[in-house]
Amino acid sequence: RKEVEQDPGPFNVPEGATVAFNCTYSNSASQSFFWYRQDCRKEPKLLMSVYSSGNEDGRFTAQLNRASQYISLLIRDSKLSDSATYLCVVNRGSTLGRLYFGRGTQLTVWP
Amino acid sequence: GEEVAQTPKHLVRGEGQKAKLYCAPIKGHSYVFWYQQVLKNEFKFLISFQNENVFDETGMPKERFSAKCLPNSPCSLEIQATKLEDSAVYFCASSPGQGYNSPLHFGNGTRLTVT
Repeated sequence: RKEVEQDPGPFNVPEGATVAFNCTYSNSASQSFFWYRQDCRKEPKLLMSVYSSGNEDGRFTAQLNRASQYISLLIRDSKLSDSATYLCVVNRGSTLGRLYFGRGTQLTVWP
Repeated sequence: GEEVAQTPKHLVRGEGQKAKLYCAPIKGHSYVFWYQQVLKNEFKFLISFQNENVFDETGMPKERFSAKCLPNSPCSLEIQATKLEDSAVYFCASSPGQGYNSPLHFGNGTRLTVT
């Protein structure tokens, strides 16, 4: 079983739509969780860290369910510029910086 | 600098040739990481450094891959006798290392094509 599993999509949504991505991780000892965004094979850029209580950053909301080992990302009011691949990333906590990446979920927002 | 700087941007090598990639971390970041991204977004951890010391090398295929981070020099990742399956984008990242929630800052990557 892969360390981090994501629905690869693609998700094709119109501008203004709300879209949700899910991710599961296999190691219950995982310590920290992130959503990164990657555009057209460029470098991954941190979108947001995911905290146990859930957190929001503008149009983006991340949730963590440790019991189910499940992470989600909700994007409200989608913009054309949100088109990218969204990577679910987990740090087990055993070694600093040793990240485990999901394969990414591709999002295309159309006008 | 304020960004992780990787060079070269693109590198083409014939099978069996050597490839050397460079990375300058963000100033003040003491941790450097190398990741390999092959097709379909598979990221693979290779190695990490704390300053010039190897921190975690469990991802490295040691028979052909080596890496260094020397004082006052860019870090480097070297592949001896490249193989077709080494074709990938190699990302370097750095972190101040202030805890497990400290995110990594990635460079633009080096795209290695082995022909």
